[in-house]
Amino acid sequence: DAGVIQSPRHEVTEMGQEVTLRCKPISGHNSLFWYRQTMMRGLELLIYFNNNVPIDDSGMPEDRFSAKMPNASFSTLKIQPSEPRDSAVYFCASSLKWGGPTDTQYFGPGTRLTVL
Amino acid sequence: KQEVTQIPAALSVPEGENLVLNCSFTDSAIYNLQWFRQDPGKGLTSLLLIQSSQREQTSGRLNASLDKSSGRSTLYIAASQPGDSATYLCAVRPIRDDKIIFGKGTRLHILP
Repeated sequence: DAGVIQSPRHEVTEMGQEVTLRCKPISGHNSLFWYRQTMMRGLELLIYFNNNVPIDDSGMPEDRFSAKMPNASFSTLKIQPSEPRDSAVYFCASSLKWGGPTDTQYFGPGTRLTVL
Repeated sequence: KQEVTQIPAALSVPEGENLVLNCSFTDSAIYNLQWFRQDPGKGLTSLLLIQSSQREQTSGRLNASLDKSSGRSTLYIAASQPGDSATYLCAVRPIRDDKIIFGKGTRLHILP
């Protein structure tokens, strides 16, 4: 399996522009997670889906952020409008299932976003 | 609110030495604790997962311990190699919560 696939790997945009990050989870995995990593705050969970349904979006910073999972093999994280403070590395992760004591997550390589 | 702390933030060690990375957490009500490895420009890879009822887990040269009552975990790396250079993150999963809480990591550099 190719693992979790994210695109683009790098994105540079100007303040106010819309940004869309994409994720393809590992085939057969039922849970998908979006994280943001910064030097100041570390790795933070933004939202996670179970069987394509958003379960917890309490980590989404504000209404400018939205995430969708239209099917089991694709998810997007959109920022509109983008701001310089959104600059970070965004990771997508997937899990075969989520809830058991030994369940773990498999991370993609991340998208490095820079908002000028 | 659960907080996870890793000290030091960075560590340099000569090749061949044994070393210990430390992790502390504020709430002992955890489901499990994991150690992840992150290489530059890449995602995280799970190294070891310790369930709350366990005291330690081993994989090759790595050994992770868990002392839930004191809110501490250690990752022991034996006979360090330059390939071990990476950032190591500790993460806990609180009871009755689906989220993982991550520490900020320890950046490890093994000197050849």
